[in-house]
Amino acid sequence: GAVVSQHPSWVICKSGTSVKIECRSLDFQATTMFWYRQFPKQSLMLMATSNEGSKATYEQGVEKDKFLINHASLTLSTLTVTSAHPEDSSFYICSASRDSDAYEQYFGPGTRLTVT
Amino acid sequence: SQKIEQNSEALNIQEGKTATLTCNYTNYSPAYLQWYRQDPGRGPVFLLLIRENEKEKRKERLKVTFDTTLKQSLFHITASQPADSATYLCALAGGFSGGYNKLIFGAGTRLAVHP
Repeated sequence: GAVVSQHPSWVICKSGTSVKIECRSLDFQATTMFWYRQFPKQSLMLMATSNEGSKATYEQGVEKDKFLINHASLTLSTLTVTSAHPEDSSFYICSASRDSDAYEQYFGPGTRLTVT
Repeated sequence: SQKIEQNSEALNIQEGKTATLTCNYTNYSPAYLQWYRQDPGRGPVFLLLIRENEKEKRKERLKVTFDTTLKQSLFHITASQPADSATYLCALAGGFSGGYNKLIFGAGTRLAVHP
């Protein structure tokens, strides 16, 4: 149990376009979902925390107008990278927690975004 | 400033030996600490959680210790196997985001187990 999927697993887009990444909890209801970004050989950096039906909480330095997060249901959250630029190229990973303390997070397989 | 440090150098060990990975942190007082495994191009997989009032936790061939005085956690894999080769991340509860505990990750240590 506790499987999280992401779609797509990789995407290449042109500079200036927008890309949507989906994160789904397949066999449980996720109280909270988290979005991370990871650059090569670096740690996962939390971008934002989202709860179903409410606005996401963004970490300092993350532009909320650029990285739009929608948590439409207890099993789906989406991250849209708007007007993508090459510096947005990274590995985006979501995680989901099924308890209110978020002690244990279940991670998706990640989405590799390349902006040309 | 707040930091989480893991050995950036890869750890190479012989199959059957015990691998020991270190996670040090400064300027945090985490209620718990977690260890994850990450394979290339994949998301992290949860391995173990240890709380601040626990000294040691075991799960099969894995053992984690947590010393809040030294601000250090050690992660051990006994009887290591080539399949254990991966990057291991430590993460600690580093505050709150959106009302929920947020995890702060170290950069990870790559472990390579050789036959």
